[in-house]
Amino acid sequence: SYVLTQPPSVSVAPGQTARLTCGGSDFVSKIVHWHQQKPGQAPVLVIYDDNDRPSGIPERFSGSNSGHSATLTISRVEVGDEADYYCLVWDTNSDQWVFGGGTKVTVL
Amino acid sequence: EVQLVASGGGLVKPGGSLRLSCAASGFTFSDYSMDWVRQAPGKGLEWVASISKISTYIYYADSMKGRFIISRDNAKNSLYLHMNSLRPEDTATYYCVRERITTKSYYFDFWGQGSLVTVSS
Repeated sequence: SYVLTQPPSVSVAPGQTARLTCGGSDFVSKIVHWHQQKPGQAPVLVIYDDNDRPSGIPERFSGSNSGHSATLTISRVEVGDEADYYCLVWDTNSDQWVFGGGTKVTVL
Repeated sequence: EVQLVASGGGLVKPGGSLRLSCAASGFTFSDYSMDWVRQAPGKGLEWVASISKISTYIYYADSMKGRFIISRDNAKNSLYLHMNSLRPEDTATYYCVRERITTKSYYFDFWGQGSLVTVSS
């Protein structure tokens, strides 16, 4: 089955930039979505279709997909951005959705 | 306001069965594919199953095939997950999720609050 790899944790100081990566094989064919989950809450979509932002999500959140990996960038990080972030793709080979293992963002 | 309210969770013995329901409101339920996603305590997100607008297409995660059945009733604006032969490793919060379609792809655009299922003797 398809596997998405994310670093378990990232630490960043307030006001700095956090870059979260997501990788897998045959990535050029994948479209990546990102979800944020704060403790005790349901996940929330923050980026869809590699780099589109839903309404209500701050412009500080952006996404990219190089064809080898995807990156969620959080600019001017705030304490309120502390959360787990999951990347997600649809695997056409298996007809299944696949989540990455998640990255915990800690704001120092 | 879009709402997805999951219910039906609880404590069940290994080998038992349970049916989760998800009541949708605030949008035209029959216009959307729907999914179940679960999260074991302290663990990451795991996709469970997906069902298209009029149930034409149904997909399952490998570990759920043959034990779980996803279904929907558009007249009742409801999504269901029938879970059979439950195992302790099925213990998780189960989220009901709306799936949106764009010209480029599909994605999960709204999550409900989840229903906790505990499988234990």
